[in-house]
Amino acid sequence: DQQVKQNSPSLSVQEGRISILNCDYTNSMFDYFLWYKKYPAEGPTFLISISSIKDKNEDGRFTVFLNKSAKHLSLHIVPSQPGDSAVYFCAAPDSNYQLIWGAGTKLIIKP
Amino acid sequence: DAGVIQSPRHEVTEMGQEVTLRCKPISGHDYLFWYRQTMMRGLELLIYFNNNVPIDDSGMPEDRFSAKMPNASFSTLKIQPSEPRDSAVYFCASSLGVYEQFFGPGTRLTVL
Repeated sequence: DQQVKQNSPSLSVQEGRISILNCDYTNSMFDYFLWYKKYPAEGPTFLISISSIKDKNEDGRFTVFLNKSAKHLSLHIVPSQPGDSAVYFCAAPDSNYQLIWGAGTKLIIKP
Repeated sequence: DAGVIQSPRHEVTEMGQEVTLRCKPISGHDYLFWYRQTMMRGLELLIYFNNNVPIDDSGMPEDRFSAKMPNASFSTLKIQPSEPRDSAVYFCASSLGVYEQFFGPGTRLTVL
C-alpha cells in the first residue's frame, strides 16, 4: 500500500516557467511533509518541508502547498532553471518516525 | 562539515562474497539510516539507529544482511553471502532528529 504517491514519473518544463510537482498521501495522520531533490550519482538532498498546521511554506524559488482535505501537496518552482533538473521525492514521517517516500518525479528543464 | 561519507563509492563483487559498506555520519547527528535504491522498488529503508542503537530493522531483506553502529561516528552494512539481486545503490543518511535527513553519495553495488 503506497501511502505517499507521486503519480507523474516525469515532467518537462521550459526554462523560466513554473514547475509544479504533485504528491498525494493516504494516511491522514501524517503531519509533516518533506521534499527532497536528487541528482544522478548523488544522494537525495533536503529541499523544503511543511507542517500540517500550515498550508504554504516558501523558500526562495520554492514553495510547497498543502491541501489537507484533499490529502495533496505540491511543490512549485518559479522560475525554473536548468539546475533544477533532477528527481524530486515527496516524503512523510509515519508514527514510527520513519520517512515514507514517494516514487519520485523526474523534472527536466528545457532551455 | 564534510557531510555523510560513504565508502566505497563503487563495489563489484562475485556472488557468494562478503560485502561491507561503510558510513560516517555527520558529527552530532543522533540518527543513522541505511537505504537501498533500485529501479523496481525505489528508495527502501533497511534499518535505522538512534544513538547507536538499532531501532527498526524490519526493512532488512534477509538474514544475509546485518548492520552495526559501534560508535557515533561509524556504521557498517554487511551482506554475506551476496547475491546478484542485491545489486543496488545503498545510501546512508544521518539526522538530528528523524525528519530532515542528510544523505551520503551512496555506494553502487554490483554482484556478478
